[in-house]
Amino acid sequence: QQPVQSPQAVILREGEDAVINCSSSKALYSVHWYRQKHGEAPVFLMILLKGGEQKGHDKISASFNEKKQQSSLYLTASQLSYSGTYFCGFEGTSNSGYALNFGKGTSLLVTP
Amino acid sequence: KAGVTQTPRYLIKTRGQQVTLSCSPISGHRSVSWYQQTPGQGLQFLFEYFSETQRNKGNFPGRFSGRQFSNSRSEMNVSTLELGDSALYLCASSLLRGDDEQYFGPGTRLTVT
Repeated sequence: QQPVQSPQAVILREGEDAVINCSSSKALYSVHWYRQKHGEAPVFLMILLKGGEQKGHDKISASFNEKKQQSSLYLTASQLSYSGTYFCGFEGTSNSGYALNFGKGTSLLVTP
Repeated sequence: KAGVTQTPRYLIKTRGQQVTLSCSPISGHRSVSWYQQTPGQGLQFLFEYFSETQRNKGNFPGRFSGRQFSNSRSEMNVSTLELGDSALYLCASSLLRGDDEQYFGPGTRLTVT
Protein backbone atom coordinates (compact mmCIF):
# COMPACT_ATOMS: atom_id res chain seq x y z
CA GLN A 1 0.00 0.00 0.00
CA GLN A 2 1.35 3.40 -1.01
CA PRO A 3 2.46 5.76 1.79
CA VAL A 4 0.59 9.03 2.09
CA GLN A 5 2.72 12.16 1.85
CA SER A 6 1.76 15.67 2.93
CA PRO A 7 1.77 18.36 1.85
CA GLN A 8 1.59 17.66 -1.88
CA ALA A 9 3.40 20.87 -2.65
CA VAL A 10 5.05 23.69 -0.75
CA ILE A 11 6.69 26.97 -1.70
CA LEU A 12 9.31 28.48 0.58
CA ARG A 13 11.51 31.52 0.62
CA GLU A 14 15.20 30.90 1.03
CA GLY A 15 16.02 30.47 4.72
CA GLU A 16 12.59 29.22 5.74
CA ASP A 17 11.89 25.80 7.24
CA ALA A 18 9.63 23.01 6.03
CA VAL A 19 8.41 19.65 7.24
CA ILE A 20 7.31 16.83 4.95
CA ASN A 21 5.25 14.06 6.47
CA CYS A 22 4.74 10.47 5.43
CA SER A 23 2.42 7.87 6.93
CA SER A 24 1.60 4.23 6.40
CA SER A 25 -1.19 1.93 7.47
CA LYS A 26 1.20 -1.02 7.74
CA ALA A 27 3.97 -1.89 10.16
CA LEU A 28 7.32 -0.69 8.93
CA TYR A 29 10.89 -1.89 9.00
CA SER A 30 12.50 1.21 7.55
CA VAL A 31 11.78 4.56 5.93
CA HIS A 32 13.77 5.92 3.01
CA TRP A 33 13.86 9.51 1.76
CA TYR A 34 14.93 10.59 -1.71
CA ARG A 35 14.93 13.89 -3.59
CA GLN A 36 14.45 14.17 -7.33
CA LYS A 37 15.17 17.31 -9.30
CA HIS A 38 13.34 17.88 -12.55
CA GLY A 39 14.72 15.66 -15.29
CA GLU A 40 17.15 13.90 -12.99
CA ALA A 41 17.30 10.61 -11.11
CA PRO A 42 16.24 10.42 -7.47
CA VAL A 43 19.08 10.95 -5.01
CA PHE A 44 19.39 9.34 -1.59
CA LEU A 45 18.84 11.52 1.47
CA MET A 46 18.28 9.28 4.46
CA ILE A 47 17.29 5.87 5.79
CA LEU A 48 15.66 5.48 9.19
CA LEU A 49 15.54 1.99 10.61
CA LYS A 50 13.34 0.37 13.18
CA GLY A 51 15.16 0.68 16.47
CA GLY A 52 16.48 4.15 15.88
CA GLU A 53 19.46 3.75 13.56
CA GLN A 54 19.79 6.39 10.85
CA LYS A 55 21.96 6.65 7.77
CA GLY A 56 22.13 9.78 5.71
CA HIS A 57 23.36 13.27 5.09
CA ASP A 58 24.41 15.39 8.05
CA LYS A 59 22.44 18.42 6.90
CA ILE A 60 19.15 16.55 6.62
CA SER A 61 17.18 15.46 9.66
CA ALA A 62 14.21 13.17 9.92
CA SER A 63 12.19 11.25 12.46
CA PHE A 64 10.53 7.84 12.43
CA ASN A 65 7.69 7.05 14.80
CA GLU A 66 7.49 3.27 14.68
CA LYS A 67 4.28 3.03 16.71
CA LYS A 68 2.41 5.47 14.51
CA GLN A 69 4.09 4.32 11.28
CA GLN A 70 4.96 7.88 10.45
CA SER A 71 8.04 9.71 9.33
CA SER A 72 8.85 13.38 8.92
CA LEU A 73 11.64 15.07 6.99
CA TYR A 74 12.86 18.40 8.36
CA LEU A 75 14.35 20.97 6.02
CA THR A 76 15.79 23.88 7.95
CA ALA A 77 17.20 27.13 6.62
CA SER A 78 16.22 26.07 3.12
CA GLN A 79 18.47 26.81 0.18
CA LEU A 80 17.63 27.15 -3.50
CA SER A 81 19.25 23.76 -4.08
CA TYR A 82 16.60 22.10 -1.89
CA SER A 83 14.00 22.52 -4.64
CA GLY A 84 12.74 19.27 -6.06
CA THR A 85 10.30 16.47 -5.38
CA TYR A 86 10.75 14.53 -2.15
CA PHE A 87 9.73 10.91 -1.94
CA CYS A 88 9.39 8.74 1.12
CA GLY A 89 9.61 5.00 0.72
CA PHE A 90 8.47 2.44 3.21
CA GLU A 91 9.99 -1.00 3.62
CA GLY A 92 7.56 -3.25 5.40
CA THR A 93 9.40 -6.56 5.37
CA SER A 94 12.43 -7.70 7.26
CA ASN A 95 15.91 -6.89 6.13
CA SER A 96 15.85 -9.31 3.23
CA GLY A 97 16.04 -6.89 0.37
CA TYR A 98 14.16 -4.07 -1.26
CA ALA A 99 10.42 -3.89 -1.68
CA LEU A 100 10.06 -0.16 -1.26
CA ASN A 101 6.68 1.46 -1.61
CA PHE A 102 7.12 5.13 -2.37
CA GLY A 103 4.61 7.91 -1.84
CA LYS A 104 3.49 10.16 -4.68
CA GLY A 105 5.96 12.83 -3.70
CA THR A 106 6.01 16.34 -2.25
CA SER A 107 7.02 19.12 -4.61
CA LEU A 108 9.18 21.74 -2.91
CA LEU A 109 10.09 25.06 -4.48
CA VAL A 110 12.50 27.41 -2.76
CA THR A 111 12.46 30.97 -4.08
CA PRO A 112 15.03 33.73 -3.57
CA LYS B 1 33.27 5.20 -9.97
CA ALA B 2 30.79 5.01 -12.84
CA GLY B 3 27.15 5.46 -11.93
CA VAL B 4 24.16 3.34 -12.83
CA THR B 5 23.58 3.27 -16.57
CA GLN B 6 20.40 2.47 -18.41
CA THR B 7 19.83 1.80 -22.07
CA PRO B 8 18.14 2.90 -24.14
CA ARG B 9 17.27 6.31 -22.75
CA TYR B 10 14.19 6.73 -24.94
CA LEU B 11 11.89 4.25 -26.64
CA ILE B 12 8.74 4.51 -28.68
CA LYS B 13 6.74 1.34 -29.12
CA THR B 14 3.36 0.38 -30.46
CA ARG B 15 0.62 -1.20 -28.37
CA GLY B 16 0.96 -4.99 -28.39
CA GLN B 17 4.71 -5.02 -28.91
CA GLN B 18 7.25 -6.06 -26.32
CA VAL B 19 10.27 -4.19 -25.00
CA THR B 20 13.48 -4.96 -23.13
CA LEU B 21 15.26 -2.40 -20.99
CA SER B 22 18.77 -2.78 -19.65
CA CYS B 23 20.46 -1.62 -16.46
CA SER B 24 24.12 -1.79 -15.47
CA PRO B 25 24.63 -1.25 -11.73
CA ILE B 26 27.55 0.39 -10.01
CA SER B 27 30.52 -1.93 -9.89
CA GLY B 28 30.32 -4.15 -6.81
CA HIS B 29 26.61 -3.63 -6.27
CA ARG B 30 24.65 -6.86 -6.26
CA SER B 31 21.10 -5.64 -5.74
CA VAL B 32 19.15 -4.11 -8.62
CA SER B 33 15.63 -2.76 -8.24
CA TRP B 34 13.25 -1.53 -10.93
CA TYR B 35 10.63 1.20 -10.57
CA GLN B 36 7.94 2.66 -12.79
CA GLN B 37 7.47 6.42 -12.48
CA THR B 38 4.36 8.17 -13.75
CA PRO B 39 3.06 11.66 -12.95
CA GLY B 40 -0.05 10.35 -11.22
CA GLN B 41 1.39 7.48 -9.20
CA GLY B 42 4.92 8.54 -8.40
CA LEU B 43 7.50 5.79 -7.98
CA GLN B 44 6.13 2.26 -7.99
CA PHE B 45 8.25 -0.76 -7.15
CA LEU B 46 8.40 -3.45 -9.82
CA PHE B 47 10.93 -6.01 -8.56
CA GLU B 48 14.35 -6.48 -7.03
CA TYR B 49 17.09 -8.88 -8.04
CA PHE B 50 20.02 -10.06 -6.00
CA SER B 51 22.61 -12.59 -7.17
CA GLU B 52 20.51 -13.52 -10.21
CA THR B 53 17.42 -14.25 -8.10
CA GLN B 54 14.26 -12.23 -7.84
CA ARG B 55 14.14 -11.37 -4.16
CA ASN B 56 11.07 -9.14 -4.06
CA LYS B 57 8.21 -8.32 -6.41
CA GLY B 58 5.75 -5.45 -6.56
CA ASN B 59 2.13 -5.49 -7.55
CA PHE B 60 2.42 -5.53 -11.34
CA PRO B 61 0.94 -7.97 -13.84
CA GLY B 62 2.93 -10.89 -15.20
CA ARG B 63 3.60 -8.96 -18.42
CA PHE B 64 6.40 -7.31 -16.47
CA SER B 65 9.37 -9.57 -15.92
CA GLY B 66 13.04 -9.26 -15.33
CA ARG B 67 16.28 -11.06 -14.85
CA GLN B 68 19.76 -10.50 -13.55
CA PHE B 69 22.98 -11.82 -14.97
CA SER B 70 26.07 -13.08 -13.16
CA ASN B 71 27.75 -9.68 -13.59
CA SER B 72 24.75 -8.07 -11.81
CA ARG B 73 23.50 -6.39 -14.97
CA SER B 74 19.73 -6.58 -15.17
CA GLU B 75 17.07 -6.46 -17.81
CA MET B 76 13.36 -5.95 -17.57
CA ASN B 77 10.88 -7.00 -20.19
CA VAL B 78 7.35 -5.83 -20.81
CA SER B 79 5.27 -7.93 -23.16
CA THR B 80 2.03 -7.00 -24.91
CA LEU B 81 2.50 -3.31 -24.29
CA GLU B 82 -0.48 -1.19 -23.28
CA LEU B 83 -0.89 2.58 -23.51
CA GLY B 84 -0.77 2.74 -19.70
CA ASP B 85 2.75 1.33 -19.70
CA SER B 86 4.07 4.68 -20.92
CA ALA B 87 6.34 5.83 -18.12
CA LEU B 88 9.86 6.48 -16.96
CA TYR B 89 11.46 3.21 -15.89
CA LEU B 90 14.17 3.62 -13.30
CA CYS B 91 16.60 1.08 -12.03
CA ALA B 92 18.54 1.45 -8.82
CA SER B 93 21.47 -0.49 -7.45
CA SER B 94 22.70 -1.03 -3.93
CA LEU B 95 25.44 -3.02 -2.25
CA LEU B 96 23.61 -5.80 -0.53
CA ARG B 97 20.62 -5.21 1.61
CA GLY B 98 17.40 -3.33 2.04
CA ASP B 99 18.90 -0.83 4.41
CA ASP B 100 21.63 0.29 2.06
CA GLU B 101 21.14 3.44 0.06
CA GLN B 102 20.08 3.02 -3.52
CA TYR B 103 21.72 4.72 -6.49
CA PHE B 104 19.33 5.45 -9.32
CA GLY B 105 20.06 5.47 -13.01
CA PRO B 106 18.79 8.20 -15.38
CA GLY B 107 15.87 6.05 -16.50
CA THR B 108 14.40 4.87 -19.79
CA ARG B 109 11.48 6.92 -21.09
CA LEU B 110 9.02 4.51 -22.74
CA THR B 111 6.21 5.84 -24.86
CA VAL B 112 3.55 3.43 -26.09
CA THR B 113 1.41 4.62 -29.00
